[in-house]
Amino acid sequence: GAVVSQHPSWVICKSGTSVKIECRSLDFQATTMFWYRQFPKQSLMLMATSNEGSKATYEQGVEKDKFLINHASLTLSTLTVTSAHPEDSSFYICSASRDRVTDTQYFGPGTRLTVL
Amino acid sequence: AQSVTQPDIHITVSEGASLELRCNYSYGATPYLFWYVQSPGQGLQLLLKYFSGDTLVQGIKGFEAEFKRSQSSFNLRKPSVHWSDAAEYFCAVHDPTGGGNKLTFGTGTQLKVEL
Repeated sequence: GAVVSQHPSWVICKSGTSVKIECRSLDFQATTMFWYRQFPKQSLMLMATSNEGSKATYEQGVEKDKFLINHASLTLSTLTVTSAHPEDSSFYICSASRDRVTDTQYFGPGTRLTVL
Repeated sequence: AQSVTQPDIHITVSEGASLELRCNYSYGATPYLFWYVQSPGQGLQLLLKYFSGDTLVQGIKGFEAEFKRSQSSFNLRKPSVHWSDAAEYFCAVHDPTGGGNKLTFGTGTQLKVEL
């Protein structure tokens, strides 16, 4: 149990376009979902935390208008990279947890975004 | 602010040898502690976690970790490493009093296994 999927697994887009990445908890209801960004050979950087039905909480330095997060249901959160530029190219990973205090975060397989 | 330190950026061991990956945290109380593994181009897989109780925690794939409060450490161990264990390992902590389950990750340790 506790499987998290992401779609797409990789995407290539032109500069200036928007890209949507989906994160789904397949066999549990996720009260909270997290979005991370990972640069090559580096650790994960938390971008934002989203709770179902409420606005996402963004980490300092993360542009809210650039990275739009929607947590529309207990099993789906989406990250939209708006007007993507080459510097947005990265590995984006989501995670989900059942409750807000004690539960473990279960991670998706990640999405490789390349902006040309 | 809490922090997590993984002192070893790279570790190389021979297949069949024992392994210990170090993790130290800086936090006033006892946080929740996790070890995750990441294979190239993949997401993170939970190896084990410590919330309370027995300080020696067993995980998947033959891994175990020991919480030592006096040393603020949560080192990951495996008695005999397999070539398939080559990956990036991340230690993470969560502040249980912070009102959420946000994780703070260490910088990771890259494990290479020599055949």
